[in-house]
Amino acid sequence: ETGVTQTPRHLVMGMTNKKSLKCEQHLGHNAMYWYKQSAKKPLELMFVYSLEERVENNSVPSRFSPECPNSSHLFLHLHTLQPEDSALYLCASSQEIGGPLGYEQYFGPGTRLTVT
Amino acid sequence: GDSVTQMEGPVTLSEEAFLTINCTYTATGYPSLFWYVQYPGEGLQLLLKATKADDKGSNKGFEATYRKETTSFHLEKGSVQVSDSAVYFCALSAYTGGGNKLTFGTGTQLKVEL
Repeated sequence: ETGVTQTPRHLVMGMTNKKSLKCEQHLGHNAMYWYKQSAKKPLELMFVYSLEERVENNSVPSRFSPECPNSSHLFLHLHTLQPEDSALYLCASSQEIGGPLGYEQYFGPGTRLTVT
Repeated sequence: GDSVTQMEGPVTLSEEAFLTINCTYTATGYPSLFWYVQYPGEGLQLLLKATKADDKGSNKGFEATYRKETTSFHLEKGSVQVSDSAVYFCALSAYTGGGNKLTFGTGTQLKVEL
């Protein structure tokens, strides 16, 4: 495997279910990100991890719970979601959080989540 | 706060037509600017970037020039192909002291027809 992989690619869950999204990067990067992509809205940054430490949490509801056990893996645990949480969830990684010129982010293919 | 504004799509062109997708931004300081592309069913891929004023980013026939005076980073391609059909995102990266944050536009869908 190369780049950033995400599983599952598609997920349908009820509002009372608990599920987890998985992201793995094979690039040797130190920073990982979760984004939410909804139709006709800009990508929303949800969480940022640097060397397994959460450095940003953009006012995301507690029904989304991230976990970063090591610099290669990132999870997003989901519970009691709402229909408006249906979206494409994208994982990304970069070499570092970045200095003034920034580091490129490499994205996975995303998990298409539908909450019924 | 920082923001990126892109022209709304979809943009529909015939093959070999000239493409321009407008992008303007608002940011404090001196951001780096990016274009990402998302093909159907895939994640975002970096297309090109520019890190300072008057820099031109280019890749796969696409170009964009960092214009500080007009706060713009318009994407251009001289002759589009059907395979260029995708959603294009303009983004800026601003250093906040604690690291970089990417701010994206809403995306512009491009459809290229034969």
